[in-house]
Amino acid sequence: GAVVSQHPSRVICKSGTSVKIECRSLDFQATTMFWYRQFPKQSLMLMATSNEGSKATYEQGVEKDKFLINHASLTLSTLTVTSAHPEDSSFYICSAPSGGSNNEQFFGPGTRLTVL
Amino acid sequence: QQQVKQSPQSLIVQKGGISIINCAYENTAFDYFPWYQQFPGKGPALLIAIRPDVSEKKEGRFTISFNKSAKQFSLHIMDSQPGDSATYFCAASNRGADGLTFGKGTHLIIQP
Repeated sequence: GAVVSQHPSRVICKSGTSVKIECRSLDFQATTMFWYRQFPKQSLMLMATSNEGSKATYEQGVEKDKFLINHASLTLSTLTVTSAHPEDSSFYICSAPSGGSNNEQFFGPGTRLTVL
Repeated sequence: QQQVKQSPQSLIVQKGGISIINCAYENTAFDYFPWYQQFPGKGPALLIAIRPDVSEKKEGRFTISFNKSAKQFSLHIMDSQPGDSATYFCAASNRGADGLTFGKGTHLIIQP
């Protein structure tokens, strides 16, 4: 299947700082990527859709000024958590549809964010 | 509103047995139904997916059964192995190119 990478895999930061997470499609191009958040022992919740060349679209209840998304190229989307607080500590995972007739969605390995 | 309901929340199956996980959806616009396997600390891995024009799809030991009229679909894992122990999520989306709506997950334990 298609490969999606994320960097960093783990990050610890102090409250009030900003953290950037990168999501890359390694062997295919993705005009759209998705960002999810997963709290411990819970399901994945869609946060936003990242669109190459245009603004991201956010799900209801997700603050666009707090979670900045930039789709810089056909293989890279970034999520910046601004002014992070302990309640933002979570597992952030991106995905990308592979295109083609099946258009299956493949997920990255996730980024564990801990805000102290 | 939970658009994809998954059951059971946890499941214990003996090695060699059949593991069955069920999901039901509400949004009739959904037309893409994947199943994902997730190990602790890892991203979800796509197992198998189905579209509503077929009632069943099989890949190796994994089978999806789909009932469009009942708006239900299920995952069957045949000859379950200890290595299958993980959390399984069903999901659904509109057009397959949209973000996924996930079920709450099933924690599967295969006892040796």
